[in-house]
Amino acid sequence: EDQVTQSPEALRLQEGESSSLNCSYTVSGLRGLFWYRQDPGKGPEFLFTLYSAGEEKEKERLKATLTKKESFLHITAPKPEDSATYLCALYGGATNKLIFGTGTLLAVQP
Amino acid sequence: EADIYQTPRYLVIGTGKKITLECSQTMGHDKMYWYQQDPGMELHLIHYSYGVNSTEKGDLSSESTVSRIRTEHFPLTLESARPSHTSQYLCASSESVGGAWNEQFFGPGTRLTVL
Repeated sequence: EDQVTQSPEALRLQEGESSSLNCSYTVSGLRGLFWYRQDPGKGPEFLFTLYSAGEEKEKERLKATLTKKESFLHITAPKPEDSATYLCALYGGATNKLIFGTGTLLAVQP
Repeated sequence: EADIYQTPRYLVIGTGKKITLECSQTMGHDKMYWYQQDPGMELHLIHYSYGVNSTEKGDLSSESTVSRIRTEHFPLTLESARPSHTSQYLCASSESVGGAWNEQFFGPGTRLTVL
């Protein structure tokens, strides 16, 4: 069964304190891994797509990386406006549906 | 910038009422989806469509129904709302390009409360 696990559940950082969020997965053939940002009461906002191990994508202070077992979302010098829930999702070989993790709630304090 | 819209954004209704949640996208995407999300929980797929006149049930059992008469429009209907239907409903769409598994773009959501 395809599965996605995100850690930590919650993370509190000081402004400028870099860190990483983890998304580990078990899947029978990864077809695509996606990172989203979700603000309270809103729909998820698409950030990155990764298709194969070794792939990296970057956008402003965020960088997503992918291995055969996990993906990381690296946040460099975060700002308070980066506070949100970050969701990881993937298409696995066993299903044609997007499987979501429960997310990491990030709080960046000034 | 994703152009996908949902109305209403918030809805409070009484038990037994019939409601329709609207979802429209202007990107010409073939695939559209409805998810349900409770606070702090993962998204659960309740319905999806791969094109006009195509609808399928998702993994989460739902008493709602959907229709896809036009590419851009994917409404969700609850014939008789109950308090257990209280949740956030999210609509999404994605394009079919070369058979690739593409990202889904989400609307702002409808927060439904059934009293």
